[in-house]
Amino acid sequence: AQKVTQAQTEISVVEKEDVTLDCVYETRDTTYYLFWYKQPPSGELVFLIRRNSFDEQNEISGRYSWNFQKSTSSFNFTITASQVVDSAVYFCALSEGNYGQNFVFGPGTRLSVLP
Amino acid sequence: DVKVTQSSRYLVKRTGEKVFLECVQDMDHENMFWYRQDPGLGLRLIYFSYDVKMKEKGDIPEGYSVSREKKERFSLILESASTNQTSMYLCASSLYPGSSASYEQYFGPGTRLTVT
Repeated sequence: AQKVTQAQTEISVVEKEDVTLDCVYETRDTTYYLFWYKQPPSGELVFLIRRNSFDEQNEISGRYSWNFQKSTSSFNFTITASQVVDSAVYFCALSEGNYGQNFVFGPGTRLSVLP
Repeated sequence: DVKVTQSSRYLVKRTGEKVFLECVQDMDHENMFWYRQDPGLGLRLIYFSYDVKMKEKGDIPEGYSVSREKKERFSLILESASTNQTSMYLCASSLYPGSSASYEQYFGPGTRLTVT
């Protein structure tokens, strides 16, 4: 069965610090997809990134970067120079290559960025 | 931009009432989903639909049913609301890839349902 672990329940940082959110997954499929979502206090989950299992290139988008390592089954998310607006719950999710129906979400990491 | 809307942000119902939660997406997505989110339990899939009139049970379908009469609309029905169904309900939609793949889900703002 597929599984996603986000070991960090809550993280607090001071503004401008860098922070890394960990995500470890389990799957038996060779084809799978990994996602990160942000849930700000307003409640709506916002899609951040999608990665397939055949693409291990790291990705950078502004202050956000993602490190995908199949060898350790990890897909970690780093925010550089954090800002107060980054305060949210972040979810990592896994979907096996089965027509997009079967998403498993991790428990989420609550990030608080203090001014 | 994908837009997923839900009929209510907040809803208060009494035990035993029949409750309808509506979700509409405007991006012609084939897949639609209903989740509930509870503290400490994360997001749990209730039902999903990959086509009009098609539905599949998720992890926790008991006490719920769904309806999808039109592609853009997916309704979640609580036949007889109970206090343990007090929760945040999230609707999502995604493309159906037509092959072994997976696309990101886009979420609505959520409906916080309280059953008293």
